Amino acid sequence: AQSVSQHNHHVILSEAASLELGCNYSYGGTVNLFWYVQYPGQHLQLLLKYFSGDPLVKGIKGFEAEFIKSKFSFNLRKPSVQWSDTAEYFCAVDWGFKTIFGAGTRLFVKA
Amino acid sequence: DVKVTQSSRYLVKRTGEKVFLECVQDMDHENMFWYRQDPGLGLRLIYFSYDVKMKEKGDIPEGYSVSREKKERFSLILESASTNQTSMYLCASHKQGNQLLGEKLFFGSGTQLSVL
Repeated sequence: AQSVSQHNHHVILSEAASLELGCNYSYGGTVNLFWYVQYPGQHLQLLLKYFSGDPLVKGIKGFEAEFIKSKFSFNLRKPSVQWSDTAEYFCAVDWGFKTIFGAGTRLFVKA
Repeated sequence: DVKVTQSSRYLVKRTGEKVFLECVQDMDHENMFWYRQDPGLGLRLIYFSYDVKMKEKGDIPEGYSVSREKKERFSLILESASTNQTSMYLCASHKQGNQLLGEKLFFGSGTQLSVL
């Protein structure tokens, strides 16, 4: 069965630290990949997505993600986090017939 | 063997009482968390702490407070217990570590609190 794993429940960082959130999915084939963000009190927003082409995808707010097909991974990165990046981040994988979300990673950035 | 210890397995309190739930970890972890677990709602984060004397609200902080005077101890306080705070309370901790590999959360065995 398809599944999406995010490696951390919680990540706590200081401002200006680098961020990398892991996401792995269980099943191959053609996939579309997404990272969403949910800021406190707000609904989900799309950060970035990968459909095809360059496996390094740039999104909003300085985020990027790299699709590594051989590792079934789509890790989210940001070189220098800000306090305003405090949020919950969800990886999602679309197999064309089903989209599954990871359990989410809560990021807290210390001011 | 690593341990997160919660002081009570079961507690019964009356409405309006002040309740202290204690949690101690022996792993020198920086980060500690309090959750409550209710049927059909999963785990909900009440408060967390990333350092001594530092605390941050989770999703459902109302009616609760916390104290972290020492690194190993994280206390949850119900200032005036109410019946809707009847729940299983879980303490957890993890090390400030490698984001990519993930740091496992270590849980205590839980405190089942009943408020009458």
